[in-house]
Amino acid sequence: QVQLKESGPGLVQPSQTLSLTCTVSGFSLTSYNVHWVRQPPGKGLEWMGRMRYNGDTSYNSALKSRLSISRDTSKNQVFLKMNSLQTDDTGTYYCTRDGGAADYWGQGVMVTVSS
Amino acid sequence: DIQMTQSPSFLSASVGDRVTINCKASQNINKYLNWYQQKLGEAPKRLIYNTNNLQTGIPSRFSGSGSGTDYTLTISSLQPEDFATYFCLQHNSFPWTFGGGTKLELK
Repeated sequence: QVQLKESGPGLVQPSQTLSLTCTVSGFSLTSYNVHWVRQPPGKGLEWMGRMRYNGDTSYNSALKSRLSISRDTSKNQVFLKMNSLQTDDTGTYYCTRDGGAADYWGQGVMVTVSS
Repeated sequence: DIQMTQSPSFLSASVGDRVTINCKASQNINKYLNWYQQKLGEAPKRLIYNTNNLQTGIPSRFSGSGSGTDYTLTISSLQPEDFATYFCLQHNSFPWTFGGGTKLELK
């Protein structure tokens, strides 16, 4: 069945770079887009960007200068890198498959930005 | 960006109640509106896609309606497992934007 699982460090220091991995199964990254979405504690969800099935990327303009999304299709993985982290980047980060917009989601990974 | 205003933020109800949750978009989103259920520590689950299409495996007590800027999720008869947080997503245009969420609690 379709599964997505996020992984990465739970704690990142301010000004450092966040690196997350979304490992997928049950579908091909060359057939579906995968998006990243985040949620600060107690706040709403924010769309961050996407990796298209053909390898193209799109980013939220608010994050574009700090964000990079890439993939390794042989490993069924999509990567998120975001630099210059600040405390307001703390939150839960999700990856989601775009099968008609966000049909399946991972459980999310909590990231805390703190020294 | 399209703003999504979801109401209410909190809803207290009893098993068997009929409840509605609303999302209002800041502009026409052409029915590209999905609804999700989220329980603590779990992945969000899509309930409804494109306004009124029930996701496979989701009980028929869930339904969606709307057009233009106004959309509604209805749960016809609340079951114990329905107490959770619900949110909407517009995917008419990028960036996708989400409603602020509705926490449905047991009265």
